[in-house]
Amino acid sequence: DAGVTQSPTHLIKTRGQQVTLRCSPKSGHDTVSWYQQALGQGPQFIFQYYEEEERQRGNFPDRFSGHQFPNYSSELNVNALLLGDSALYLCASSSPRQLNTEAFFGQGTRLTVV
Amino acid sequence: AQSVTQLDSHVSVSEGTPVLLRCNYSSSYSPSLFWYVQHPNKGLQLLLKYTSAATLVKGINGFEAEFKKSETSFHLTKPSAHMSDAAEYFCVVTYTDSWGKLQFGAGTQVVVTP
Repeated sequence: DAGVTQSPTHLIKTRGQQVTLRCSPKSGHDTVSWYQQALGQGPQFIFQYYEEEERQRGNFPDRFSGHQFPNYSSELNVNALLLGDSALYLCASSSPRQLNTEAFFGQGTRLTVV
Repeated sequence: AQSVTQLDSHVSVSEGTPVLLRCNYSSSYSPSLFWYVQHPNKGLQLLLKYTSAATLVKGINGFEAEFKKSETSFHLTKPSAHMSDAAEYFCVVTYTDSWGKLQFGAGTQVVVTP
């Protein structure tokens, strides 16, 4: 089992550009959540996808959008990048049919906006 | 708002001495509580979880935590620190009606000295 995989591992973008980050969930998991971890802070919830729809969303602007595919993999898109979007982006997968199941995290994508 | 507070941003211990990381959560519905560890340039790894079963929870690598409802606390302990325990530790809460949305504390950086 490969666990949760994210790509790319590192990315450098210019302010104003757009970026797409990818996540493949752990085998058997159907729910994908995305988190932003700024330097020196705890991860913050961006949004969650289940059955190819955004089920819930944290306090992030519409510049942050996502998608989930039939195979449960997911993408996070960020438009009009700002310097403040520089962070580690973490993907977590889980299976809510199992109550209180733990979330498994990928290694993250380190995004640097210059 | 439901939240979790880690009372120490940095903890420094000597190898072989006990480790105590403090966490308090805001109380509304019955929480599920977790401790995750993050080593440098790594993803998040689950240490242990509390899901309304035994209040004393044992995790990996000798860590344990005690859920105290009266104090709304979930402190993490280890009897004897090892050099490999140097990392960032996050206390995390989720609730039954939150579909697995995780709320992270700000983190505690643990330094272990020889």
